[in-house]
Amino acid sequence: DIVMTQSPDSLAVSLGERATINCKSSQSVLFSSNNKNYLAWYQQKPGQAPKLLINWASTRESGVPDRFSGSASGTDFTLTISSLQAEDVAVYYCQQYFDTPRTFGQGTKLEIK
Amino acid sequence: QVQVVQSGGGLVKPGGSLRLSCTVSGFSFSDNYMSWIRQAPGKGLEWVSYISNTATIIYYADSVKGRFTISRDNAGNSLFLQMNSLRVEDTAVYYCARDSGSYDHWGQGTLVTVSS
Repeated sequence: DIVMTQSPDSLAVSLGERATINCKSSQSVLFSSNNKNYLAWYQQKPGQAPKLLINWASTRESGVPDRFSGSASGTDFTLTISSLQAEDVAVYYCQQYFDTPRTFGQGTKLEIK
Repeated sequence: QVQVVQSGGGLVKPGGSLRLSCTVSGFSFSDNYMSWIRQAPGKGLEWVSYISNTATIIYYADSVKGRFTISRDNAGNSLFLQMNSLRVEDTAVYYCARDSGSYDHWGQGTLVTVSS
């Protein structure tokens, strides 16, 4: 199974500041034939279902604010929130869909400092 | 407007059974893979099972293999999860979701509690 490891487990950032969440896969999730990383990011607020923010490691879903961005370098992936807003308080998960079983990171809890 | 509405769930004793349902509208259900994903209380997300659009491809997590059965009714736009031989560790909120590799449309979740 591909293991997804997120860091940190929790993060406190001031409003308007940048938040960075990392995710590392235990093996490559890059499909060579299309040069795409099979990696998604989700946001989950308390009592709600997760919401897809980004897939293919860096493609924002429709309606997701452009302060959210994703990047990749080998097996390391990053979700960046450029200017933290109060409504961004949530738990964030990465997920690989390169192989079955699909696996998620353990989650990163983002709070306001 | 996409809607994914779940039903079923509840309290069941260890060794018991339960069936979850999920009804979809707003996208072509019969053209899409679907998955069940669960989340134990206070824990992270765990993929449980997926089924292809024609039900010819089905996979399960090792933790539920042999006990859970995923199925679908394309005429009724519905997805099901039959859960047998339930264990305390199956206690979780269960979500159904459209599976495009990533999960872009989710149900509201339904709580399954396995306890004596």
